Amino acid sequence: QSVLTQPPSASGTPGQRVTISCSGSSSNIGSYTVNWYHQVPGTAPKLLIYNDSRRPSGVPDRFSGSKSGTSASLAISGLQSEDEADYYCATWDDSLNGVVFGGGTKLTVL
Amino acid sequence: EVQLLESGGGLVQPGGSLRLSCAASGFTFSTYAMSWVRQAPGKGLEWVSGINGGGGSTYYADSYYAESVKGRFTISRDNSKNTLFLQMNSLRAEDTATYYCAKSSSGWSGWDHWGQGTLVSVSS
Repeated sequence: QSVLTQPPSASGTPGQRVTISCSGSSSNIGSYTVNWYHQVPGTAPKLLIYNDSRRPSGVPDRFSGSKSGTSASLAISGLQSEDEADYYCATWDDSLNGVVFGGGTKLTVL
Repeated sequence: EVQLLESGGGLVQPGGSLRLSCAASGFTFSTYAMSWVRQAPGKGLEWVSGINGGGGSTYYADSYYAESVKGRFTISRDNSKNTLFLQMNSLRAEDTATYYCAKSSSGWSGWDHWGQGTLVSVSS
């Protein structure tokens, strides 16, 4: 059972907008910034969003992040087939004194 | 170009030990916190341990561990050799995973570069 809660799956058709949620508590999301990762199975994860809503260079502006209270969200607009991957949220947790991940969301582009 | 190259994985019996290494290049290694993150086959990502930059090669660096590995795994770094280590003792079947080293860019959980991973299999 992951400390951060994500839906196990999400889907959309090309061009659509999809959002993936990440729910936590006051000891993690409520106190620290959230980062999002994208992982194609068999490859290393890639940083998609850091500090809740900032994009590393090279990440398209189709990807955006937000946070409110103890929940965070990743939005992907203009969905493309290459967006099909697993997505993870992560942040620090004060109670555990360590980094925690969400369980991951498998995004399918229909 | 930042590169992280893990090595040291392999097959080990339960109760055994392994030492993973991560050779870093393309950045000033001593100024960045580093972590190990693992992924069991078909499962999600799990943070294992992190260590701050530590400055000089002999500076004691603060380190942190997931509860699941505390007391069994030890993270360390040699800033003079730009290398990160993970000493894994008392290995269990549930430690079977691909282990990635990752460079922090934003806090402890914002890793902007990852290695390709090294597979650790714990089985008799």
